[in-house]
Amino acid sequence: GAVVSQHPSRVICKSGTSVKIECRSLDFQATTMFWYRQFPKKSLMLMATSNEGSKATYEQGVEKDKFLINHASLTLSTLTVTSAHPEDSSFYICSAYIVAKNIQYFGAGTRLSVL
Amino acid sequence: SQKIEQNSEALNIQEGKTATLTCNYTNYSPAYLQWYRQDPGRGPVFLLLIRENEKEKRKERLKVTFDTTLKQSLFHITASQPADSATYLCALTAGSGNTGKLIFGQGTTLQVKP
Repeated sequence: GAVVSQHPSRVICKSGTSVKIECRSLDFQATTMFWYRQFPKKSLMLMATSNEGSKATYEQGVEKDKFLINHASLTLSTLTVTSAHPEDSSFYICSAYIVAKNIQYFGAGTRLSVL
Repeated sequence: SQKIEQNSEALNIQEGKTATLTCNYTNYSPAYLQWYRQDPGRGPVFLLLIRENEKEKRKERLKVTFDTTLKQSLFHITASQPADSATYLCALTAGSGNTGKLIFGQGTTLQVKP
C-alpha cells in the first residue's frame, strides 16, 4: 500500500514553455502533499506544501507564480513550472502525507531539463 | 540556526558487515525522526520512524536509535548486502504541530562491496 505515482518521469522542454507534473496517491487519500526540488548530490529542498481545497504554502524564496500548485482532489496534486528556463532544470519530487502514520510517501521524481 | 548533519563522505563496507550511519541535529526538538533510502534518479523510500520517547526501533536487518540528549540518531544495517548500496537520508519533523513537514539531511551514500 501507500503508492504514489508521479508523472512524467522525465521531460525535456524549450525555454519559455510551461511544464505540468502530476502527483497521485493511488491507494489512499492525502489532504496534504509536498513538493521538493533536489540538486545533484544534495538533499531534498522543500518547495511548498499542497493542501487539498486550499492554497499551497510556499517556502521562503520559492516563487509562487513560477511554481503553480493545484491540489484539486484528495488524490491529485499538480506542479506547473511556468515559463521554464534552464535554471529550472532539476529533479522534482512529490510526496503524499498520511497523517495517522506521520509518514510521507514519495513519488519516483521528475527530471526536468530546460533547453 | 537549525541544522541536520549526516556524514557527507561515502561509507564503504564489506558485504556481511554492519553499516552504521549517523545523523546529528542542533537547535531542534523533533517529535520524531525518520530514515529514508534513495536510489539514484529515484524518490526516497520510507524505512523507519522513531518517536522522541523511543530509544530504539528495529525492522528486519535495520535498527535505528534516537538519543534526544545527544541529539543524534544512528542507523544500522546488519549483515549488509550489495543491494543495500544507496543513499540514506534522515529527516526530522519541522516546526510545531502535526503538519507532516520534514527537514532532510544531505544523506550518506553507502557502498557495500561483495
